[in-house]
Amino acid sequence: EAGVAQSPRYKIIEKRQSVAFWCNPISGHATLYWYQQILGQGPKLLIQFQNNGVVDDSQLPKDRFSAERLKGVDSTLKIQPAKLEDSAVYLCASSLVAGRPETQYFGPGTRLLVL
Amino acid sequence: RKEVEQDPGPFNVPEGATVAFNCTYSNSASQSFFWYRQDCRKEPKLLMSVYSSGNEDGRFTAQLNRASQYISLLIRDSKLSDSATYLCVVTKGYSTLTFGKGTMLLVSP
Repeated sequence: EAGVAQSPRYKIIEKRQSVAFWCNPISGHATLYWYQQILGQGPKLLIQFQNNGVVDDSQLPKDRFSAERLKGVDSTLKIQPAKLEDSAVYLCASSLVAGRPETQYFGPGTRLLVL
Repeated sequence: RKEVEQDPGPFNVPEGATVAFNCTYSNSASQSFFWYRQDCRKEPKLLMSVYSSGNEDGRFTAQLNRASQYISLLIRDSKLSDSATYLCVVTKGYSTLTFGKGTMLLVSP
């Protein structure tokens, strides 16, 4: 079974630039998550989708971050404009059942460096 | 107080040693508890769930103390391959997962 796919794997940008990340979840997984993991910390949930609807975006900095999952499958996360503190690994995960880690799998992540 | 707190370590232990990590959580309404493992520059992976009665998976034993709001992970007979960061995770019902910062374990020959 194919896992969660993410691209790009690495991205280096300058502050104030824009960047977008893409995620393709495991087939059949209705729930999709974007996490931010800053070096030395655990993953922090940014946004959770159930199909193409947003379930939780309480920790998404909405002034600069946006995410969409238009057809309930792939998702994109955008940062515009980027700040130095956005340097982190952005992990996408999908699950068969929302909130159940036994069914949740992470992608390899996109490592973002903002200079 | 942070929702989930862990000692970041690192814990340096020799092969064959027994090592234990603790994690405390602040939300008494938390219902489900897990340990994840994260290798360097890799994504987190579920290691095991934590049940009130305690549970064991090979060399790994997880315990939950609801009264004191802490979770523990015990690793017996440590292997070099156990070197990783161990993340404590709590969730309330079917809501989002809340991760601790992780505890780094380094097992040396």
